[in-house]
Amino acid sequence: DIVMTQTPLSSPVTLGQPASISCRSSQSLVHSDGNTYLSWLQQRPGQPPRLLIYKISNRFSGVPDRFSGSGAGTDFTLKISRVEAEDVGVYYCTQGTQFPWTFGQGTKVEIK
Amino acid sequence: EVQLLESGGGLVQPGGSLRLSCAASGFTFSRYVMSWVRQAPGKGLDWVSTISGSGRSTYYADSVKGRFTISRDNSKNTLYLQMNSLRVEDTAVYYCAEGFDLWGRGTLVTVSS
Repeated sequence: DIVMTQTPLSSPVTLGQPASISCRSSQSLVHSDGNTYLSWLQQRPGQPPRLLIYKISNRFSGVPDRFSGSGAGTDFTLKISRVEAEDVGVYYCTQGTQFPWTFGQGTKVEIK
Repeated sequence: EVQLLESGGGLVQPGGSLRLSCAASGFTFSRYVMSWVRQAPGKGLDWVSTISGSGRSTYYADSVKGRFTISRDNSKNTLYLQMNSLRVEDTAVYYCAEGFDLWGRGTLVTVSS
């Protein structure tokens, strides 16, 4: 199974400041079709998960452009350029390249 | 409106069975891979099972293989999860998801004596 490891697990951030979350996979996420199925999800308190980023760097419909994704192979990053109050929650990286699909442990973003 | 709505959760004793349903609307259901993902109380996300658009291909986490069965009825735009031989550790909110794009609000399954 592909293990997804996120750092940090907790990220206290000042409003308006940037935040960054790293995700490392135990093996390459490049699929045989050439795509890398690495996604980022946001889960606000009491809410279901919501897709933010798919295939490393593509913002999903309706996602603000302060969210961006980057990386390749086994190392990936989610960045929030300026954290807003509505960004509080837990962020998960996930891979859909190989079954079983797996998730990172989650990173809790909170306001200082 | 694009939507997924789960139902069928509840309290069941260890060893019991439950069938979850997920009603889809607002998109061409048969064209999409569908999955169940669960979240134990206070824990992270845990993939359970995935089914292809036609229903011909299914995939399971090792922890549920042989106990859970995923299926779909494309004529009813509905996804199912038949859960047998339930264990205390299966207690979780179960989410229905279209790929990772669209998620339902979840249904709570509690396995307890």
